[in-house]
Amino acid sequence: GAVVSQHPSRVICKSGTSVKIECRSLDFQATTMFWYRQFPKQSLMLMATSNEGSKATYEQGVEKDKFLINHASLTLSTLTVTSAHPEDSSFYICSARDSLTGGRDGYTFGSGTRLTVV
Amino acid sequence: EDQVTQSPEALRLQEGESSSLNCSYTVSGLRGLFWYRQDPGKGPEFLFTLYSAGEEKEKERLKATLTKKESFLHITAPKPEDSATYLCAVQAPTDSWGKLQFGAGTQVVVTP
Repeated sequence: GAVVSQHPSRVICKSGTSVKIECRSLDFQATTMFWYRQFPKQSLMLMATSNEGSKATYEQGVEKDKFLINHASLTLSTLTVTSAHPEDSSFYICSARDSLTGGRDGYTFGSGTRLTVV
Repeated sequence: EDQVTQSPEALRLQEGESSSLNCSYTVSGLRGLFWYRQDPGKGPEFLFTLYSAGEEKEKERLKATLTKKESFLHITAPKPEDSATYLCAVQAPTDSWGKLQFGAGTQVVVTP
């Protein structure tokens, strides 16, 4: 089945530094990928929609200068948390929509990245 | 405004004790309703997509059904390995990018 690889799975960084998270579709092409944030015992909150070759579309309240998204190829999207602060600590998850099926078989999620900012 | 509400928030079952989870939604012209399973510290795992009222899908001990206002996920004779948080999500036709809006989830614990 479709697989989405997300790296790193865990990262601890110092306040003020930047962290890059990669989301890669391994066996399918994804013109559209999604980035979510999840707080403990809460559901997934969509942060932005990443479109290959164009600018990402951010949800209301999400700072696009803080959460930089790049979708440079049909299989890779990256999320960079810039100048991270402790309040950015969270579980970040990406998902990818298969360009061929249009997501009819479900959107595939990565395994998530636990970011801790100290 | 589109809304997705899941109930109950948490469910504790004995092994073999069947039950149902509810996902009610208010979306005009639903494009699709998705069920996912999420284990702690992991990304959601796709279970089912339902597209029209009356549709049903099954996978092992799970069965998902859909009406015009809600979906049910039935767990038949659950086992401890069915313990997880079950999420439902809807896709509205107005969104050309195919965004999913998630409910808060139902945390299921199955004890031996």
